[in-house]
Amino acid sequence: QKEVEQDPGPLSVPEGAIVSLNCTYSNSAFQYFMWYRQYSRKGPELLMYTYSSGNKEDGRFTAQVDKSSKYISLFIRDSQPSDSATYLCAMTYSSASKIIFGSGTRLSIRP
Amino acid sequence: SQTIHQWPATLVQPVGSPLSLECTVEGTSNPNLYWYRQAAGRGLQLLFYSVGIGQISSEVPQNLSASRPQDRQFILSSKKLLLSDSGFYLCAWSLPTGTPYFGPGTRLLVL
Repeated sequence: QKEVEQDPGPLSVPEGAIVSLNCTYSNSAFQYFMWYRQYSRKGPELLMYTYSSGNKEDGRFTAQVDKSSKYISLFIRDSQPSDSATYLCAMTYSSASKIIFGSGTRLSIRP
Repeated sequence: SQTIHQWPATLVQPVGSPLSLECTVEGTSNPNLYWYRQAAGRGLQLLFYSVGIGQISSEVPQNLSASRPQDRQFILSSKKLLLSDSGFYLCAWSLPTGTPYFGPGTRLLVL
């Protein structure tokens, strides 16, 4: 079993829809959780960074962590065609430990 | 602000040829530096990381090596490339206890 599981997609939704991207993990020791966005042929860029459980909001993006279920989510409100990209979740045990990445979900927003 | 550079952007090399990919970071001192590889449709695989000049840790045994001759320079090398070395190579930097920030990547095709 992989430490981090992420549905590869592709996920296609109409413009303006709410998008939900998810990852599950097996190791309860993970405490730091990240979401990266990667456009085609580009390096990943950090979108959200959260510690422990709860929600964190930044503009149209909300990151949610449920440690009891070992489940993290990224919500995108009012999705735009420019949100079309691959979204990678990542997590680690401590701020100085190796980061484990999911394989990424490819998202397409239809105009 | 910090900037990370990688070159070349694209590289096509024959099997058995040597490799040298370079990464430099501007705007920070004593960063942690990383080399990742991303195969098509797969997640990010950590290859090497460095916490200081001359300090390299290898995550995956293979025909690749890394060196850090200067504080903000990280080099990925190979003496003889294999077909399986094809992929998207990403350099990243972080503060000692921070999340990684990625460069633009080098797309390597070994034929």
